[in-house]
Amino acid sequence: DIQMTQSPSSLSASLGDRVTFTCRASQSIGTYLNWYQQKPGKAPKVLIYAASRLQSGVPSRFSGSGSGTDFTLTISSLQPEDFATYYCQQTYSTPTWTFGQGTKVEIK
Amino acid sequence: QVQLQESGPGLVEPSQTLSLTCTVSGGSISSGGYFWSWIRQPAGKGLEWIGRIYTTGSTNYNPSLKSRLTISVDTSENQFSLKLTSVIAADTAVYYCAREWVYYASGSLYDYWGQGTLVTVSS
Repeated sequence: DIQMTQSPSSLSASLGDRVTFTCRASQSIGTYLNWYQQKPGKAPKVLIYAASRLQSGVPSRFSGSGSGTDFTLTISSLQPEDFATYYCQQTYSTPTWTFGQGTKVEIK
Repeated sequence: QVQLQESGPGLVEPSQTLSLTCTVSGGSISSGGYFWSWIRQPAGKGLEWIGRIYTTGSTNYNPSLKSRLTISVDTSENQFSLKLTSVIAADTAVYYCAREWVYYASGSLYDYWGQGTLVTVSS
C-alpha cells in the first residue's frame, strides 16, 4: 500500500496568515493527489484535485503544488472558516486509495 | 444538486452484520463516469476507503476488509448498500457514502458526500 504522511499533524495560525502544510507519499504517485477539508461533524469537502487543480467553487486562496512524492497545500490568507482538518488522498494505486492522517489548523 | 443520505442501524452487536444503505437524489446512480463509494472514519481518526461500486455492479474492495465486505447497487431505487460481516469494536466509525468522479485514468475525487452515520459495535 502507498502510505501518505502529512506534516505537521497540527498547527496554530492567525487570521490573515499564509499557511502551508505538506503531504508525502511513500512512492511516486505522479499528480494523483487530492486535498480535502473537514470541519467537525461534517463530511470532507474536496478543495484541490490532480495536485494543483482548484475544485469548482473553492476560493482562490487555496492552492496546491507538487508531483511525485512531495505535495503542498497553501492557504494564502487564513480566514475564520478555514479552521479545520485537511487530508490528502492518493488515487494513483487504483482502486486502493489511501488518505493521510490529517493536519488540523487551529486558531492561535 | 446531487445529495446522498446514509441509513441503517446505529448499533450493531459484535460478530453480527453491519448493513447500511445510501440513497442518491438529484441524479441517477446509473449515470456513467461515476463510482459510488463507502468511506469510514473512527472517532478522532483519519479516513479509510472501504470500497466502491459502478452502476454495472462491478466492485472494488479494500483488501483489509474484502473477506467481510459486500457492496451492492439497486438502480431501480437509486441506492447502493454496504454489508460488513463479523464486526468487531474496531469497526466502530462514522460511515460515509460518496460519489467518486473519475476525471482521467487514475484520477478521481469524491465530489459529493453523505452527512455520515455513526455505527457503534457494542453488546
